[in-house]
Amino acid sequence: SQTIHQWPATLVQPVGSPLSLECTVEGTSNPNLYWYRQAAGRGLQLLFYSVGIGQISSEVPQNLSASRPQDRQFILSSKKLLLSDSGFYLCAWSDQGALQPQHFGDGTRLSIL
Amino acid sequence: SQQGEEDPQALSIQEGENATMNCSYKTSINNLQWYRQNSGRGLVHLILIRSNEREKHSGRLRVTLDTSKKSSSLLITASRAADTASYFCATNGRGAQKLVFGQGTRLTINP
Repeated sequence: SQTIHQWPATLVQPVGSPLSLECTVEGTSNPNLYWYRQAAGRGLQLLFYSVGIGQISSEVPQNLSASRPQDRQFILSSKKLLLSDSGFYLCAWSDQGALQPQHFGDGTRLSIL
Repeated sequence: SQQGEEDPQALSIQEGENATMNCSYKTSINNLQWYRQNSGRGLVHLILIRSNEREKHSGRLRVTLDTSKKSSSLLITASRAADTASYFCATNGRGAQKLVFGQGTRLTINP
């Protein structure tokens, strides 16, 4: 069966520090991969999605970036974190195609001090 | 934007009662999906309804879709305390491989 791993679960970082969040999927190949951010009590904001290795679509201009160095690995990065980057970050995968559900990791709660 | 908007934002009912949540969206869709999120966890897919379907069932869940009104509803029958969670609708536009999520309904089931 397919599984998705996202780490760390919790992260506290100072303003201006770099960020690297990693997400890996097992048990499937060539998945679509997604990074979302969720503010407290709110819905999900799509940050990036990828339909293949090296193919990244950015949805929201900001100081974050994403990379997909391997088929089932999706990385969210920042060179310099801002206070506004605090939030709950979720990674998800789906099979290719439009009529596919998404499967989510357990998220990383990022606090910027 | 085809963002879904859930209504109500929060709902509190007694165990055993039925819970109904509504979702409205703005543009044509390929399908609409409902997800559940327990506090501090990732989302879990519940049900997908295609744009040419009007109703779908899964266990105690019943989803309806009215494309003429650009709206959907999620009914949870015979609610249980374990159904306490936030519920989100998400829409997928034609040809798109991404979802747009609404703001969610926070459901509380009181024992």
